[in-house]
Amino acid sequence: NAGVTQTPKFQVLKTGQSMTLQCAQDMNHEYMSWYRQDPGMGLRLIHYSVGAGITDQGEVPNGYNVSRSTTEDFPLRLLSAAPSQTSVYFCASSYGQTYGYTFGSGTRLTVV
Amino acid sequence: GIQVEQSPPDLILQEGANSTLRCNFSDSVNNLQWFHQNPWGQLINLFYIPSGTKQNGRLSATTVATERYSLLYISSSQTTDSGVYFCAVRSPYSGAGSYQLTFGKGTKLSVIP
Repeated sequence: NAGVTQTPKFQVLKTGQSMTLQCAQDMNHEYMSWYRQDPGMGLRLIHYSVGAGITDQGEVPNGYNVSRSTTEDFPLRLLSAAPSQTSVYFCASSYGQTYGYTFGSGTRLTVV
Repeated sequence: GIQVEQSPPDLILQEGANSTLRCNFSDSVNNLQWFHQNPWGQLINLFYIPSGTKQNGRLSATTVATERYSLLYISSSQTTDSGVYFCAVRSPYSGAGSYQLTFGKGTKLSVIP
């Protein structure tokens, strides 16, 4: 039981490049979500999913895409990286609204 | 949206001391969690506690939902307890807010030997 696995742990991108942050969970959780953590801003919700094939926007969705083709995987795509997307990204999953969330170990992304 | 305030913002303890961290929230919640972010940046789930009291070793937590606050108690603190402690809540109302965990700004704890 690996929990929530995020890859890569670190990434440096040039402005304009695209990339995908991977997130996988093996707990059969229906809810999955992506947060970003910035100094002084706390953690903010980017996108979330309540099940395979269902995704929706969170508080800060601009510049990011998601899809949920399986229960296990929830990748986050940066379409054209910008320095404002420099942040630490966390993936989280849960059985549902009234259950606790489990977080992955994070991806530290720097856009230069 | 729902507001979450944590106090104190910073705390320095001598190893072996006890402490109480507080989380106040502005509206009804159906989910409250305490997390520890260690110096390596990992977010560790400590408690899922929308109401009542739970204990896990040296840590315990109490949430009084009707009065909109939660407390995290750390007893006999150790240097490995250092890091940032976050309280996060979720509103029961519909829309994106009901899926979003709203985090407080955290309490930075430093335990010195």
